[in-house]
Amino acid sequence: ETGVTQTPRHLVMGMTNKKSLKCEQHLGHNAMYWYKQSAKKPLELMFVYNFKEQTENNSVPSRFSPECPNSSHLFLHLHTLQPEDSALYLCASSHQLAGDTGELFFGEGSRLTVL
Amino acid sequence: AQSVTQLGSHVSVSEGALVLLRCNYSSSVPPYLFWYVQYPNQGLQLLLKYTTGATLVKGINGFEAEFKKSETSFHLTKPSAHMSDAAEYFCAVSGQGAQKLVFGQGTRLTINP
Repeated sequence: ETGVTQTPRHLVMGMTNKKSLKCEQHLGHNAMYWYKQSAKKPLELMFVYNFKEQTENNSVPSRFSPECPNSSHLFLHLHTLQPEDSALYLCASSHQLAGDTGELFFGEGSRLTVL
Repeated sequence: AQSVTQLGSHVSVSEGALVLLRCNYSSSVPPYLFWYVQYPNQGLQLLLKYTTGATLVKGINGFEAEFKKSETSFHLTKPSAHMSDAAEYFCAVSGQGAQKLVFGQGTRLTINP
């Protein structure tokens, strides 16, 4: 496998459920990101990890809990979500923190619907 | 602080016509500028970027963009639109020492046959 792989591609959950999104990159990158993409809104950076350490939490509600066990894997644990959390969640990676090079590699996203 | 404004959330052109997608930026440091493209049901992919050097940069699929410091702009162009260019396009800015990209709100490009 190559690139950035996200699973599941689609997820429907109730507000009381607990689920997780998974991201895996096979590019040997050191930084990984979670973005939220909602209709008619700019891309929202949620979390940044660099060498497994969280370097940014962009005021994300605690019902979203990230986990980065190693530089190749990133999870987003979801619990007691709200309908407004329905969105496309995009994972990305980069060789180093993206500010200098700007080259992010994105997965295809996980489309989340909260009922 | 950095920010990006994309003028026009939706642009529609005829097949074979010129594509022009506008991007203006604000940056307190010399900017690095990027265009990403997102095809339906896919993630974003880098189309082209400007960091230093030549201000006219060429990307994939015949797209190019020109960095104009005096106008704080980085507009994306393609001489002749193809149906396969229909997608959403995002302009982004960062800079030396910046730890993240700042994205614009995106422009949806529609190609009419």
